[in-house]
Amino acid sequence: QVQLQQSGPGLVKPSQTLSLTCAISGDSVSSNSASWNWIRQSPSRGLEWLGRTYYRSKWYNEYAVSVKSRIIINPDTSKNQFSLQLNSVTPEDTAVYYCARDLDGLDAFDIWGQGTMVTVSS
Amino acid sequence: QPVLTQPPSASGTPGQRVTISCSGSRSNIGSNYVYWYQQLPGTAPKLLIYRNNQRPSGVPDRFSGSKSGTSASLAISGLRSEDEVDYYCASWDDSLSGYVFGTGTEVTVL
Repeated sequence: QVQLQQSGPGLVKPSQTLSLTCAISGDSVSSNSASWNWIRQSPSRGLEWLGRTYYRSKWYNEYAVSVKSRIIINPDTSKNQFSLQLNSVTPEDTAVYYCARDLDGLDAFDIWGQGTMVTVSS
Repeated sequence: QPVLTQPPSASGTPGQRVTISCSGSRSNIGSNYVYWYQQLPGTAPKLLIYRNNQRPSGVPDRFSGSKSGTSASLAISGLRSEDEVDYYCASWDDSLSGYVFGTGTEVTVL
């Protein structure tokens, strides 16, 4: 059974970096048939896909246009997890952040993490 | 802001059929698959429909999806009290090179 377990701080100061980690059990971050995504949800912006990392003989990253200049998603094969870094945050980045798996053949987010509420405030 | 448009609410009595629409454009729904997610309060979304009309194992056949042109629909037949939650559509957008979501629809069972 595949599970995603998120960790990271729930409070970040404006202009600082938001960092979250998603640990994978039951699958591999290096899988050739899955991609590993970050999605956030807020009352003002709704559900918003932020980006993904995936391995197809080499590593690929794809990011949403809205955050492309501020985001890094990194796989960590030694710990079988992947991370989100969002730089220069503002109160508009306050949201529930989810990690999720996108499985080839479904082409959909079939497994989700539990969600992390992140508040950007001084 | 969400790219796909859904009605804010939909309602029906127990046993009825309810339909939720999702409107997009040629760059998303018009060119790619549509997915539907169900979200209970305080929990992560759950995949309900993938590739326009396919149900993952464990999803009741009361839920069905369809797509036509740049719009899609989710139908819930035999409405039950536990269906009273939020529903979101999603698709890949070729212009944005990313996934986009709908505005969400809250279903009420009268």
